[in-house]
Amino acid sequence: EPEVTQTPSHQVTQMGQEVILRCVPISNHLYFYWYRQILGQKVEFLVSFYNNEISEKSEIFDDQFSVERPDGSNFTLKIRSTKLEDSAMYFCASSSSGPGNTIYFGEGSWLTVV
Amino acid sequence: SQQGEEDPQALSIQEGENATMNCSYKTSINNLQWYRQNSGRGLVHLILIRSNEREKHSGRLRVTLDTSKKSSSLLITASRAADTASYFCATDGPSNTGKLIFGQGTTLQVKP
Repeated sequence: EPEVTQTPSHQVTQMGQEVILRCVPISNHLYFYWYRQILGQKVEFLVSFYNNEISEKSEIFDDQFSVERPDGSNFTLKIRSTKLEDSAMYFCASSSSGPGNTIYFGEGSWLTVV
Repeated sequence: SQQGEEDPQALSIQEGENATMNCSYKTSINNLQWYRQNSGRGLVHLILIRSNEREKHSGRLRVTLDTSKKSSSLLITASRAADTASYFCATDGPSNTGKLIFGQGTTLQVKP
């Protein structure tokens, strides 16, 4: 069964460093998302992406964050100048037809900022 | 703000028993999705139910949706130890971008 794959599975970074989390959505999916889950808290929406542009972003997704689809298969989340409170599990997700359809999530990337 | 809230927060049952988890939300939705998360792992999609549907089944899973009460329930029948996980409901909304709002989840423990 096709799946969303994410790398790395776990990354430890120094505060202030830049981090890039990578995702390969399910092929032929057109809608892409990033969510995060701080330990013990809800899964929170960060950003949705369609047709090479952001379609919606949350208040969390400030100038520190950016997303990119550098080629036909990858979807990345860049976090600049990481802070301790950025420590979380980051989930990539995709769907074939966008709103109203099943959204499939990856296994997540644990980010620990020290 | 639109929000899914699960009830109970934690549930412990014996293998073979049924488990029922409830989800409430605040604003109108187009669809509601249920996900499972094993500890420290990714979100596994279980069922999507649309606002014009009242009930859906998938194997041992049964989901109901009552839009008048803004609530949904997930029933797992004949539970197994492998069903031990956290279960989340997630609602979409009027932004029509596919954004999902997740609840806090129900932690289910199935004892062998």
